[in-house]
Amino acid sequence: RKEVEQDPGPFNVPEGATVAFNCTYSNSASQSFFWYRQDCRKEPKLLMSVYSSGNEDGRFTAQLNRASQYISLLIRDSKLSDSATYLCAVSRGSSASKIIFGSGTRLSIRP
Amino acid sequence: NAGVTQTPKFRILKIGQSMTLQCTQDMNHNYMYWYRQDPGMGLKLIYYSVGAGITDKGEVPNGYNVSRSTTEDFPLRLELAAPSQTSVYFCASSYSTSGLSQPQHFGDGTRLSIL
Repeated sequence: RKEVEQDPGPFNVPEGATVAFNCTYSNSASQSFFWYRQDCRKEPKLLMSVYSSGNEDGRFTAQLNRASQYISLLIRDSKLSDSATYLCAVSRGSSASKIIFGSGTRLSIRP
Repeated sequence: NAGVTQTPKFRILKIGQSMTLQCTQDMNHNYMYWYRQDPGMGLKLIYYSVGAGITDKGEVPNGYNVSRSTTEDFPLRLELAAPSQTSVYFCASSYSTSGLSQPQHFGDGTRLSIL
């Protein structure tokens, strides 16, 4: 089993829709969780950090489910500009230093 | 404020050649990382450093070496380039104390082709 797993997608949804995707992690001792957005051929950029149960920033909500070992990302009222690949990143166990990324979920918003 | 700067942005190498990918950050971050990203894939951790003089292997360290002589710089060395090392390389940094990891800041990436 991979340490961090994501559904690769692509998720193809209409503008204005709500979309959610999950990221599962294998190490129950992981403490830090992140969602990054990556545009084609660009560097990842931080979307949201999740340290406790969840976090919300405008149209974006991240939830952490420790019992089932996954984090989710919910995007409401999706915009064309939300089209990107979304990467989740998880600290390896209790180590603050080693961050492992998932393979990413591709999201495409259609007009 | 430049953030994380990587050089070069593009490079083509012949099999067996060596090169160093440069990474420098001006945010006084203690943690630095090197990742590679193959097409359509996520980021794989090559090496990381929690401070000057300290480095450790990540998921895919074979064929690479690093050093961290200063807080600012974290160069990645390829000694004998192989076609399997064709990838996009990202350097990242973060500031973390004990316990929780902090978000990473990424450089623009180096696109490396081995022919």
